[in-house]
Amino acid sequence: KAGVTQTPRYLIKTRGQQVTLSCSPISGHRSVSWYQQTPGQGLQFLFEYFSETQRNKGNFPGRFSGRQFSNSRSEMNVSTLELGDSALYLCASSLGGLGNTGELFFGEGSRLTVL
Amino acid sequence: GEDVEQSLFLSVREGDSSVINCTYTDSSSTYLYWYKQEPGAGLQLLTYIFSNMDMKQDQRLTVLLNKKDKHLSLRIADTQTGDSAIYFCAEDNTDKLIFGTGTRLQVFP
Repeated sequence: KAGVTQTPRYLIKTRGQQVTLSCSPISGHRSVSWYQQTPGQGLQFLFEYFSETQRNKGNFPGRFSGRQFSNSRSEMNVSTLELGDSALYLCASSLGGLGNTGELFFGEGSRLTVL
Repeated sequence: GEDVEQSLFLSVREGDSSVINCTYTDSSSTYLYWYKQEPGAGLQLLTYIFSNMDMKQDQRLTVLLNKKDKHLSLRIADTQTGDSAIYFCAEDNTDKLIFGTGTRLQVFP
């Protein structure tokens, strides 16, 4: 079965622009989490959605937002981009959240460069 | 705080054992995990351990948990060049994972 698909894989934006990243979870998975990965800060939790509702949110400013659709696909949006937003954005899906084993299935990420 | 700490780098010879260490912070974590990230890829779950266990073995992988010291380790036996990657430990914390800083494992012939 298909894995987690993230689009686009790479993108370049300039400061002040906004960006939307997309994530299609594994079929049947209802939970989607987003993480930001940077060399300096490592992997930081952004938010988690389950059945179109945001269940959990990390410590990121309001410029970072997300949503989940009825088919479990999720998007995240970053507005008014800053240089420090350059990162690999990883999406992970699971059946119903961390549950019993906590296994998250990760996509390959969207690498965002802000110039 | 929510810091999960790991040493940044480990270099081992092919065929030797690798031991990657992790110190976590949340004593209420139910599960602790090890993920692997290869270049250009997302993270892949390697193994996990329930917090009431002190050891788990899975083929070449052995996880040791010292709950008193909040110390977790991953031992890879007979390390191969294909094991070269970044390894992250993670603890669960209110329905999200807190990841460590990652240890880059380099395996040389």
